[in-house]
Amino acid sequence: GIQVEQSPPDLILQEGANSTLRCNFSDSVNNLQWFHQNPWGQLINLFYIPSGTKQNGRLSATTVATERYSLLYISSSQTTDSGVYFCAVPQGDWDMRFGAGTRLTVKP
Amino acid sequence: NAGVMQNPRHLVRRRGQEARLRCSPMKGHSHVYWYRQLPEEGLKFMVYLQKENIIDESGMPKERFSAEFPKEGPSILRIQQVVRGDSAAYFCASSDTSGTYNEQFFGPGTRLTVL
Repeated sequence: GIQVEQSPPDLILQEGANSTLRCNFSDSVNNLQWFHQNPWGQLINLFYIPSGTKQNGRLSATTVATERYSLLYISSSQTTDSGVYFCAVPQGDWDMRFGAGTRLTVKP
Repeated sequence: NAGVMQNPRHLVRRRGQEARLRCSPMKGHSHVYWYRQLPEEGLKFMVYLQKENIIDESGMPKERFSAEFPKEGPSILRIQQVVRGDSAAYFCASSDTSGTYNEQFFGPGTRLTVL
């Protein structure tokens, strides 16, 4: 099945710093989603981005499908950005395969 | 427009009891997916259902686990005779279409603890 690798596994930032999270996948995909799991465990949809670039406030994402990677940018990070960031791609006809996540800690 | 609803949010069961987890998809969504997240891991697919049909249960353990999505009411994930290894967060997702292009929206999850 398709493999999804996320890097870095852990990231510690000072409030106000910028960061880039990476998601590599082993096969071509026509769908990619980014999620934020907050410290309370809730999973929040960030982006549906099979290709191209999208922006939502301080967050933006870029997927280069031909090169099999996606990037999530967080600018001017805030403590509320802390949590785990997952990317997910289709594994079969309908189920999503998740990466292991990047655990982000933003310190005040 | 309400998102995906799951209840209960937290569930504690003793070994051997039954756990019933409920999921109401987003309004207008007829496709439901269940995922399990073990501690410190990513989510893993369990089962995909449409109304009154199980489409794919390849990720669900063959014994003790079952799922349904009746014509009326929420989808139910049922775990019989729970064991400590069933302790995990169970997430439900829904989409308005099926296929690899679909965007799945996730509920807040149910955290099951087996004592």
